[in-house]
Amino acid sequence: EAEVAQSPRYKITEKSQAVAFWCDPISGHATLYWYRQILGQGPELLVQFQDESVVDDSQLPKDRFSAERLKGVDSTLKIQPAELGDSAMYLCASSRGQGNTGELFFGEGSRLTVL
Amino acid sequence: KQEVTQIPAALSVPEGENLVLNCSFTDSAIYNLQWFRQDPGKGLTSLLLIQSSQREQTSGRLNASLDKSSGRSTLYIAASQPGDSATYLCAVPSGSARQLTFGSGTQLTVLP
Repeated sequence: EAEVAQSPRYKITEKSQAVAFWCDPISGHATLYWYRQILGQGPELLVQFQDESVVDDSQLPKDRFSAERLKGVDSTLKIQPAELGDSAMYLCASSRGQGNTGELFFGEGSRLTVL
Repeated sequence: KQEVTQIPAALSVPEGENLVLNCSFTDSAIYNLQWFRQDPGKGLTSLLLIQSSQREQTSGRLNASLDKSSGRSTLYIAASQPGDSATYLCAVPSGSARQLTFGSGTQLTVLP
């Protein structure tokens, strides 16, 4: 069964350091999402890609966060510099359809702890 | 702005019980509604997707209903098992940007 792949599963870093997360969506899925989930809350969208283009990054803290999907397949989310408040689960998801009208499939997530 | 609420935040039931989880949303102009399951420290697993034109969807022991006019969806779990213990979240895309909004989830514990 096809899955969304994410790495690393866990990352511990000190504040002010740089950190990067990688996501490989299900093959053929044009839409890719990065979500951030704080413990006890639902996921919140950081950025949405349609192929290689950013569709929505209104919630992405652009002073420290960046995301790219250069070839419209896998994607990288970067944080520089990391802050204590960035500790959270970072989830990648993909869907076949355009926009948020299709079923979403999530990866296992990357748990970030900033010390 | 769409707001999604899930009540209760936590639920504990004995094994074998039938149970209902609730999801309410403020903007009825939704395209679909999706229910997910999340195990501790893991990602979300899609359970059911209901299109806006549908009233319900079934998968095994799970049945999800959708009432757009009242802004509500329910997830019915029949004959609950300890393996059903997890957090259940609902999510809706709405508005021109189709921003996906999640509820905070209901943490379910099924006691053996």
